[in-house]
Amino acid sequence: DAKTTQPTSMDCAEGRAANLPCNHSTISGNEYVYWYRQIHSQGPQYIIHGLKNNETNEMASLIITEDRKSSTLILPHATLRDTAVYYCIVFTSGSRLTFGEGTQLTVNP
Amino acid sequence: NAGVMQNPRHLVRRRGQEARLRCSPMKGHSHVYWYRQLPEEGLKFMVYLQKENIIDESGMPKERFSAEFPKEGPSILRIQQVVRGDSAAYFCASSPFRQGPSNTEAFFGQGTRLTVV
Repeated sequence: DAKTTQPTSMDCAEGRAANLPCNHSTISGNEYVYWYRQIHSQGPQYIIHGLKNNETNEMASLIITEDRKSSTLILPHATLRDTAVYYCIVFTSGSRLTFGEGTQLTVNP
Repeated sequence: NAGVMQNPRHLVRRRGQEARLRCSPMKGHSHVYWYRQLPEEGLKFMVYLQKENIIDESGMPKERFSAEFPKEGPSILRIQQVVRGDSAAYFCASSPFRQGPSNTEAFFGQGTRLTVV
């Protein structure tokens, strides 16, 4: 599995955009970039995933660089309920889904 | 469509007893992953199973732990002769396995909290 590197922690003001970076310089051509989050020891929650193109859904946007070596998860208007550990994972169906240490995002009032 | 169901949510066992953790995947999902999360630590992969097959068990301890995903019924993670160090949250995830342009996501259950006393 490709390794990912994320900052250990980040802070964001409520209502502002939260931009969470991830480096995955050894990603292979068939691996997707996935983002999950875990809120206070609950089960991880799927957020978004992408291969090459930028993606957007009701929760977030995913920006993947052209060389695919890094990506950014954007929560456009962070709320207190977005405080969680965010995991960036590279994965393809049929292989295992491996979590790193993630980024602890704290949204402050 | 119900989500991934894990039971029990909380399980207390005395040292030396057996623990059985169940995971019912989402309807139509034939792939199951198990993870362990020790207190204040991250999610560690344990095992990846398809129906009746173990695909990757590289994260499973070599002794006392086993997993199965039979043709009928839930996936079972079994821990024999539990010790205090087995106390953790155990999560399972399921996916339908789809290759191609869209790939697929895995959905997680709420976990089983095992406490060994």
